[in-house]
Amino acid sequence: DAGVIQSPRHEVTEMGQEVTLRCKPISGHDYLFWYRQTMMRGLELLIYFNNNVPIDDSGMPEDRFSAKMPNASFSTLKIQPSEPRDSAVYFCASSSLTGTENTGELFFGEGSRLTVL
Amino acid sequence: RKEVEQDPGPFNVPEGATVAFNCTYSNSASQSFFWYRQDCRKEPKLLMSVYSSGNEDGRFTAQLNRASQYISLLIRDSKLSDSATYLCVVTGGGNKLTFGTGTQLKVEL
Repeated sequence: DAGVIQSPRHEVTEMGQEVTLRCKPISGHDYLFWYRQTMMRGLELLIYFNNNVPIDDSGMPEDRFSAKMPNASFSTLKIQPSEPRDSAVYFCASSSLTGTENTGELFFGEGSRLTVL
Repeated sequence: RKEVEQDPGPFNVPEGATVAFNCTYSNSASQSFFWYRQDCRKEPKLLMSVYSSGNEDGRFTAQLNRASQYISLLIRDSKLSDSATYLCVVTGGGNKLTFGTGTQLKVEL
């Protein structure tokens, strides 16, 4: 079975440009998470969705960041305009959490490595 | 104070050694605890859950101390293939998982 699929794997762009990162979760998973990872701050949760609805976006750094999930099989994370401090690896993860039990298993994509010059 | 704190390491150990990592968390209401493993330039993957009574999975033992708000991971008979970054993960409210910054382990010949 295919895992979480992210694109692009690498992106280099110039400050001020719009960046769109894409994610296809594992089929049947009802939770989708966007994380950002840097050496200094580790993995930070940006936003997560349940059944395509944003549940917690408190980790989104500022208005330049937006995320959408138009359907169960696709999500985007957009940065506009991009800045050098946005350089990081952006991970998408999906999960199927039933009831109140949290198995803690998130399935991560391979990440999108963003460099903003 | 960070929600989840870990010693970044690196821990350099010889093959066959026993090594232990600790992790502290700030939210006393945290319910679930996990260890993830992340290889260099790869995505994190679940290693094991941490149960209140402690649990083992082969060479790996995880323990939880709620009173002191820390969890630990012990690796016995370490292998070269254990070299990775180990991420401590804690859940707060709902399904939000908070990751530590990770502890790097290097197992050497």
